[in-house]
Amino acid sequence: ETGVTQTPRHLVMGMTNKKSLKCEQHLGHNAMYWYKQSAKKPLELMFVYSLEERVENNSVPSRFSPECPNSSHLFLHLHTLQPEDSALYLCASSQGPNNEQFFGPGTRLTVL
Amino acid sequence: AQKVTQAQTEISVVEKEDVTLDCVYETRDTTYYLFWYKQPPSGELVFLIRRNSFDEQNEISGRYSWNFQKSTSSFNFTITASQVVDSAVYFCALSEAFTGGYNKLIFGAGTRLAVHP
Repeated sequence: ETGVTQTPRHLVMGMTNKKSLKCEQHLGHNAMYWYKQSAKKPLELMFVYSLEERVENNSVPSRFSPECPNSSHLFLHLHTLQPEDSALYLCASSQGPNNEQFFGPGTRLTVL
Repeated sequence: AQKVTQAQTEISVVEKEDVTLDCVYETRDTTYYLFWYKQPPSGELVFLIRRNSFDEQNEISGRYSWNFQKSTSSFNFTITASQVVDSAVYFCALSEAFTGGYNKLIFGAGTRLAVHP
């Protein structure tokens, strides 16, 4: 595998379910990001991990819970989501400050 | 405050036409970085270019070219002889110089480009 991978690519869940999104980067980067992309809204930064420490949390509801067990893996744990949480969730990674981020293919989430 | 404006929501062209995507940014910093990304229908954002605020030289990469003008706070992207494969949403992004170990990107709303045969 190369670059940034995300699984699953598609996920349908009910409001009472618990699921997790997984992201893995094979680039040796030291920062990882979760973004939310909804229709008709710009890309929203959710969380940033730098050197496995959470450094940004942009007022994201607690029903989204990130986890970064090591510099290559990032998870987004989901529980009791709402239909308005349906979106494309994108993971990205980068190395050091001011450098470009490389994105994964995203997980298309639908909450029923 | 930082802001990126992509005023063109959608552009439709016929193959082989040239097309320019506009990007205007706002920042109070003298050191900053500008980026362009392409998002094809598959969903993945593909990095195209990174430019720092001290380098105003235009850049050309194949059919792609970028025009950076600090005087007008613009970083426009031109595709020459467009092709159907260029159909995608294009995002312009800005980050201010930052001493943390990561990058804080501010994205524009994106421009959807449709290239028709």
